Formats: sequence, structure tokens, C-alpha cells
Amino acid sequence: AQSVAQPEDQVNVAEGNPLTVKCTYSVSGNPYLFWYVQYPNRGLQFLLKYITGDNLVKGSYGFEAEFNKSQTSFHLKKPSALVSDSALYFCAVRDRNQAGTALIFGKGTTLSVSS
Amino acid sequence: DAGVIQSPRHEVTEMGQEVTLRCKPISGHNSLFWYRQTMMRGLELLIYFNNNVPIDDSGMPEDRFSAKMPNASFSTLKIQPSEPRDSAVYFCASRVVDATNEKLFFGSGTQLSVL
Repeated sequence: AQSVAQPEDQVNVAEGNPLTVKCTYSVSGNPYLFWYVQYPNRGLQFLLKYITGDNLVKGSYGFEAEFNKSQTSFHLKKPSALVSDSALYFCAVRDRNQAGTALIFGKGTTLSVSS
Repeated sequence: DAGVIQSPRHEVTEMGQEVTLRCKPISGHNSLFWYRQTMMRGLELLIYFNNNVPIDDSGMPEDRFSAKMPNASFSTLKIQPSEPRDSAVYFCASRVVDATNEKLFFGSGTQLSVL
């Protein structure tokens, strides 16, 4: 079975500081990994994905994520946080060998950036 | 493109009533997903369709829930009879079934309150 864990319900950082939102996953095969962001009263929006290739993936709004196979992690990072980054962030996974199947999402982490 | 369109945006009903949620996926997308979001359980997959065919409905909570996709441009999620514990935000999402393009597009959701 596939699963995603986001161990932190909330992450608080000051504007200008680096941020990390943690994600670990479990799949039987090789993973496709994703980050989505949700702003209040909106649907989720795609941020970035890891399919294959470089372990460091760059996405929208200056976010990046690093795939670490040995630690089964895909942490989301940004060098300098903005107040506007405050939102709910979801990590998602699916098994690469199961084409056409659904993404499994973590419970989400609320990021709060203070000015 | 107008994106994934869900209706209604908000639904308030009384316990025991039938509720129907509607979704119009992005034109050309052949995979459609229904997710439910609650504070306690995060984002749960309820059911998904590929080419209008239900593939996995194991996430549907119980027989009170049913979903249909009569054609490529329309899907419904029905709850009959509704219960207070069904209160949640219900999201519809669509994508192209493609081994390399995994981006999901979400609607704005339906906020359901069952009194």
C-alpha cells in the first residue's frame, strides 16, 4: 500500500528565513512524488514533481524539493520565505509502475510565515 | 480554459436529505477524481474514473455514497441519506492519463454542511 507522512501539522518561520516542510513516503515500487499548495477557500495547486533524473527538483514560486531514496523523503524547501507563502502544503505519491492510478496525499502541513 | 468546475460551492442540508455534488472536468482530460477534505483525516481519495469508467471506489465510505460519470464532461457524487459526519469539503480533480504528465487540476471544492 502507498502512504505519505507529513510529520508536522504546522511550521512557523519568519519572513526571509529558510523553510522546510517535511514529507516521507512508502510505496512498493519506485515513486512519483509531488507537492501541492492550497490557499484558503481554494482547490489544490501543483507546485512541483519528481519523476526521474536529478534528485533536486525546482518548482513554482521559488520552491524546491529534494528526493532522498535512502531516507524515503521528499522535503519541500525555500531559501527565503515570504509572508505570501503562508498556506497549506500537501505531499503526494504514487507508484511509478501503476500508471493511471490516483495520487495519495499526506494530511497536509500548514506553513505560517510571519513578518 | 475555465478549469475544473464544481457546483454548488456551498451546500447546507439537514440530516437524512439527499445531496448531489457536480463536477465538470477540463476538456480533454480523461481521468477524474473525487477527494474529501476534513481537518481530522486530511485529503482522502473517494473514487476515480479513467475514460468514464470507475477504477477504484475503495475510498467511498459506505453505501450511502455513490458516484457516476455518464460522459467525459460530467460527474456527480451523491450522498443519500446524508449525515452530520459527512460534513467536509469535497474536491473534484482531473488530469490527462499519461505516463509522464501527472499534474492534477483541482476544482474550488464544495463545502458541505449537514445539520
